[in-house]
Amino acid sequence: DAGVIQSPRHEVTEMGQEVTLRCKPISGHNSLFWYRQTMMRGLELLIYFNNNVPIDDSGMPEDRFSAKMPNASFSTLKIQPSEPRDSAVYFCASSFEGPYTEAFFGQGTRLTVV
Amino acid sequence: DQQVKQNSPSLSVQEGRISILNCDYTNSMFDYFLWYKKYPAEGPTFLISISSIKDKNEDGRFTVFLNKSAKHLSLHIVPSQPGDSAVYFCAASDKAAGNKLTFGGGTRVLVKP
Repeated sequence: DAGVIQSPRHEVTEMGQEVTLRCKPISGHNSLFWYRQTMMRGLELLIYFNNNVPIDDSGMPEDRFSAKMPNASFSTLKIQPSEPRDSAVYFCASSFEGPYTEAFFGQGTRLTVV
Repeated sequence: DQQVKQNSPSLSVQEGRISILNCDYTNSMFDYFLWYKKYPAEGPTFLISISSIKDKNEDGRFTVFLNKSAKHLSLHIVPSQPGDSAVYFCAASDKAAGNKLTFGGGTRVLVKP
């Protein structure tokens, strides 16, 4: 398996623009997570899905952020409108559902909002 | 409220010596603990884990120790190698809350040749 695939790897956008980050989880995994890494807050969970259903979105910072998982092999994280403080590395991870399982991470998308 | 803390932001160790990374947690419901390693421009990769029914788990050069009463875990790397230079994250989960992971802030390890 190619692992968790994220695109794009880098995104530079202007403040106010819409940004869409994409993720393809590992085939067979039924949990998917979106994390954000910043210097100030470290790795923080934004949202996670089990079987394509959002289970916990309490980490989504504002209404400007939204995430979807239309099927088991694809998820998006959208920011609209984007702001400079959204600049961070966004990671997608997937795992089997259930306790005592490790999550596998993608390589991340580095977002810069200018 | 930081539920998982790594109080040492960095650690420098000589090649061949032991690296000891520490992690503290506050949520007594956590029952599964993991360590991840992260190189620059890459995603975190799983290293080793331990469930709360154990107090030690070993995998090659890596050993994780869990002290439930102190809510403390540590990762030992012996012997340390230059390729171990990376950022290490401690993470925890609570099966009642599903399989989401809560991460510590990370410890940057530098292994000097």
